[in-house]
Amino acid sequence: QKEVEQNSGPLSVPEGAIASLNCTYSDRGSQSFFWYRQYSGKSPELIMSIYSNGDKEDGRFTAQLNKASQYVSLLIRDSQPSDSATYLCAVRGGGADGLTFGKGTHLIIQP
Amino acid sequence: DTEVTQTPKHLVMGMTNKKSLKCEQHMGHRAMYWYKQKAKKPPELMFVYSYEKLSINESVPSRFSPECPNSSLLNLHLHALQPEDSALYLCASSQEAVNTEAFFGQGTRLTVV
Repeated sequence: QKEVEQNSGPLSVPEGAIASLNCTYSDRGSQSFFWYRQYSGKSPELIMSIYSNGDKEDGRFTAQLNKASQYVSLLIRDSQPSDSATYLCAVRGGGADGLTFGKGTHLIIQP
Repeated sequence: DTEVTQTPKHLVMGMTNKKSLKCEQHMGHRAMYWYKQKAKKPPELMFVYSYEKLSINESVPSRFSPECPNSSLLNLHLHALQPEDSALYLCASSQEAVNTEAFFGQGTRLTVV
C-alpha cells in the first residue's frame, strides 16, 4: 500500500517569508515526485516535478528530494498572498502508474 | 500547451439518469487517468488507460464505466449513481514513460440528486 504523508496544516506564513512544505512516502520503488497547488474549488495545478536526489529550482519554488530518507519538500521564497492554497505532494512509480497523493497542506500567507 | 479539456464543467443528475463525462488532450500523451475528489480530500485514482487500453481499475463500482475511443479522448459513463458519488471528477494525462509530468483538466463538478 503506497502512502504519502503530509502535515495538513494550516501552515501560516507572513508575506515575504519562506514557506516550507514537507512530505514523506512509503514506497521505495517510487520514481517521480510532484507538487501540485490547488485553490478551493479548482483542479490541481502542477508547480514542480523532481526525479533525482537534490534540489530543483524554478523561480520562487525549490523542490528537494532525498530518496534515502523517502522525503520530499517544497520551499516557496518571498511568499505572496496568492500562494495561499492547498499544496498536494504526489508520488508515482513507473510508466503509467497513477499518482498517489498526500492529504495536502493548507498554506495561508498572511499579508 | 499543457491543456486537458473536460466537459461539462458542472453536471446535476438523478439517480436513474445516464450521463457521460468527456476529456480531451492534444499533447500526444498515451496515458490518461480518471480521478475522483471529495471535498477537503486528495484526488483518488479510479482508472488508468495506457495506449487506449484499460491498465488500472482501482476497484471502482460498475456504475462508473470508462471508455477510451482514441488516444486523445477519454470518457466516463455514469449510470445509477448514488448521492455519495457527488464529487469533482478529474481527468489527467501524461506520457507513458517514467519521470513524466501529469496534467489535470479543470474537472467536472458532479451532483447526484
